[in-house]
Amino acid sequence: DAMVIQNPRYQVTQFGKPVTLSCSQTLNHNVMYWYQQKSSQAPKLLFHYYDKDFNNEADTPDNFQSRRPNTSFCFLDIRSPGLGDAAMYLCATSRETRNAYNEQFFGPGTRLTVL
Amino acid sequence: GEDVEQSLFLSVREGDSSVINCTYTDSSSTYLYWYKQEPGAGLQLLTYIFSNMDMKQDQRLTVLLNKKDKHLSLRIADTQTGDSAIYFCAEGGGSQGNLIFGKGTKLSVKP
Repeated sequence: DAMVIQNPRYQVTQFGKPVTLSCSQTLNHNVMYWYQQKSSQAPKLLFHYYDKDFNNEADTPDNFQSRRPNTSFCFLDIRSPGLGDAAMYLCATSRETRNAYNEQFFGPGTRLTVL
Repeated sequence: GEDVEQSLFLSVREGDSSVINCTYTDSSSTYLYWYKQEPGAGLQLLTYIFSNMDMKQDQRLTVLLNKKDKHLSLRIADTQTGDSAIYFCAEGGGSQGNLIFGKGTKLSVKP
């Protein structure tokens, strides 16, 4: 089945210790997104790739970086995690963005705990 | 700026209808979506409506759109315990291109 896969499902890191979350997709979609979701909050878009074109949201902290080495994979790097970065991180994919039907397909998420 | 507002909680009895409401601000939004999130899982698209429609029905789900008031609702008929989840309203295709989500409405279904 075509899907969006996130690994690991649960990640524990120490304050200030770099961590990488991964996402892969078998849908062959052009666009990949990373969202941060805190409890009782809306998913907050951090950035997205349209093919290799990286689009950063204006309020995404510099502490968050992303890489997309190929169509299938996308990584979220948190360089120095703080306690406030503990959240669920959701990866999503879609075919298109602007002015079009933009169904996004979500992975199950990675829950990050910062000690 | 864009904003999508939803009430945070809704509780209904099994077999009743549930109505989840949402307001949005971007009048240029092309599509409006309802996503469902079960505990520990990602978001799953439930249904969507194109902005030139005012109603869409899909089995137990009915979406109503009042574009003038920028109000969207999701009605679930004959609500079941398996419908217990968080429901997110999202607007898209507008000036920013990406989806803007509400905070989600937690639906609790009592037997």
